[in-house]
Amino acid sequence: KNEVEQSPQNLTAQEGEFITINCSYSVGISALHWLQQHPGGGIVSLFMLSSGKKKHGRLIATINIQEKHSSLHITASHPRDSAVYICAVRSGGGNKLTFGTGTQLKVEL
Amino acid sequence: GAVVSQHPSWVICKSGTSVKIECRSLDFQATTMFWYRQFPKQSLMLMATSNEGSKATYEQGVEKDKFLINHASLTLSTLTVTSAHPEDSSFYICSALSGINQPQHFGDGTRLSIL
Repeated sequence: KNEVEQSPQNLTAQEGEFITINCSYSVGISALHWLQQHPGGGIVSLFMLSSGKKKHGRLIATINIQEKHSSLHITASHPRDSAVYICAVRSGGGNKLTFGTGTQLKVEL
Repeated sequence: GAVVSQHPSWVICKSGTSVKIECRSLDFQATTMFWYRQFPKQSLMLMATSNEGSKATYEQGVEKDKFLINHASLTLSTLTVTSAHPEDSSFYICSALSGINQPQHFGDGTRLSIL
């Protein structure tokens, strides 16, 4: 079993829909990251959080430390949101990240 | 802010040649950089952690003589794939840390194809 599990693996949505991507992890963490990987391969760091909730534009990330679970929400989704969304956790005392397998999101017109 | 530039973005070369990939932090100093490899439809796999002025720490199973890492300054780390073979073809991506407990900032990656 992977230390970081994401669901769903693939998601197709219609423009405007509210999207939720889930991440569960099995280890104690110091921080959780949500990353966006574009079709060309480049990766953008969306959020780093260790508790509570963060919001940036149409993106919202929440984390429940007790339940070892985080969610990434996209409101009013748009085709330009189509990408792979990756959950990664930092555990232990170092800076290494353990990655989930990613969620391939496709938003259609 | 926090821009990481990776070069080249793609490279095609013959088997047996060595390929150098550069990772630069453009607007911050990065004491630590990471090198990852990614196969199609798979997650990132950490190859090594690069610390400025010291030897890189390689993950288990990664050949240090095959993948040479140099972190000569606070803004530049290089990965050299030596005597590359077709099985080295992959997507390589770097990231840099601007400080403790800060997010990693990623480059745009390098797509390497060995013929």
